[in-house]
Amino acid sequence: GESVGLHLPTLSVQEGDNSIINCAYSNSASDYFIWYKQESGKGPQFIIDIRSNMDKRQGQRVTVLLNKTVKHLSLQIAATQPGDSAVYFCAEVTVNQGGKLIFGQGTELSVKP
Amino acid sequence: GAVVSQHPSWVICKSGTSVKIECRSLDFQATTMFWYRQFPKQSLMLMATSNEGSKATYEQGVEKDKFLINHASLTLSTLTVTSAHPEDSSFYICSARDPAKGNSNTEAFFGQGTRLTVV
Repeated sequence: GESVGLHLPTLSVQEGDNSIINCAYSNSASDYFIWYKQESGKGPQFIIDIRSNMDKRQGQRVTVLLNKTVKHLSLQIAATQPGDSAVYFCAEVTVNQGGKLIFGQGTELSVKP
Repeated sequence: GAVVSQHPSWVICKSGTSVKIECRSLDFQATTMFWYRQFPKQSLMLMATSNEGSKATYEQGVEKDKFLINHASLTLSTLTVTSAHPEDSSFYICSARDPAKGNSNTEAFFGQGTRLTVV
């Protein structure tokens, strides 16, 4: 199967600080990108998405930036809270491939109170 | 929002036996569901795409005879791990997208996952 399945990098931040989680994707033809949050022992939870014709999108406390030139995606979390501690994955979707999600490596975010 | 439910949440089985995992869309009909597996501290790896009323599409390297997928109705897909071995121990997750929301909907809903341990 397709995956970039190496061991997870970790990011540790202080409560209240901003967090930036990065992701490199593989397919320059992907139509859109999604960030997911996964807590231990649970399935991924949708956070925010962005279409390939955009370079920035903002949600509640989160911002996603897309740089197609270098195939890079980032998730910024403002005022990080302990409840944000989880593993964060980016995923790319190509519509003409049936809409399947291909996940990136993931980053484990740890928020210190 | 749409809900996808998996059952069981965890299962322990003996080596050589088969295990069936169910994935249900509770409030929408899903013509397509996806099955992933995830090893500890690793990303989700797509195993196959489950299509209602037709054969599943497997990703390269995934044995279709070992991981049997059946999508007999618009709300249920099953994954059967046949002749399970300890190396099949993993976290299996399904997902589905609500087709009624059209191509503008990018959100795929995930089940809570099934922890399989083969002893």
